[in-house]
Amino acid sequence: QKEVEQDPGPLSVPEGAIVSLNCTYSNSAFQYFMWYRQYSRKGPELLMYTYSSGNKEDGRFTAQVDKSSKYISLFIRDSQPSDSATYLCAMSADRGSTLGRLYFGRGTQLTVWP
Amino acid sequence: EPEVTQTPSHQVTQMGQEVILRCVPISNHLYFYWYRQILGQKVEFLVSFYNNEISEKSEIFDDQFSVERPDGSNFTLKIRSTKLEDSAMYFCASRATANSPLHFGNGTRLTVT
Repeated sequence: QKEVEQDPGPLSVPEGAIVSLNCTYSNSAFQYFMWYRQYSRKGPELLMYTYSSGNKEDGRFTAQVDKSSKYISLFIRDSQPSDSATYLCAMSADRGSTLGRLYFGRGTQLTVWP
Repeated sequence: EPEVTQTPSHQVTQMGQEVILRCVPISNHLYFYWYRQILGQKVEFLVSFYNNEISEKSEIFDDQFSVERPDGSNFTLKIRSTKLEDSAMYFCASRATANSPLHFGNGTRLTVT
């Protein structure tokens, strides 16, 4: 099922770099967009949650949604070794109580080296 | 910070056996979910549960699977007769309202031999 596409990487950057992570999707019904961080052998941890198009910033993290291009991004500024993890994009359609059905990307493995 | 708790962290079972995976969602949450992640693959939706009934299930969630909320705190996933291809990480998730994001537990690694 190719509803959500995400480059798996791996992506390796030096500490302090700006990281750009991206996903594309095909289902125009998607309205809610999320980024999760997953450390090895742990569950996905919510980083960013946005509705529809636009930007959202939280500390070093910025999420962008471009619904016209069906493209979402996560930027990490001043990356730290502790940011090393797999980053998963996820999205869902606006269907009332079934909003919790998320469609995930494959995840991008990020390593930030000191 | 409240979190979703899953037990056990690792379950090994033989093919054909029944397993029950347990979850304690965040206490004021009303919507509950099971997802799974086969090694190297995407996290996949299995089932959603609200108001003591299944609200949606995926094509993966066949008659071998069932969910239950036996009391006010636990949420379980039962696989009646496990197959080798059921080996995966199973994640429980919950959310407070229909518009709030999902919070995931750390998963149960199920290995079917």
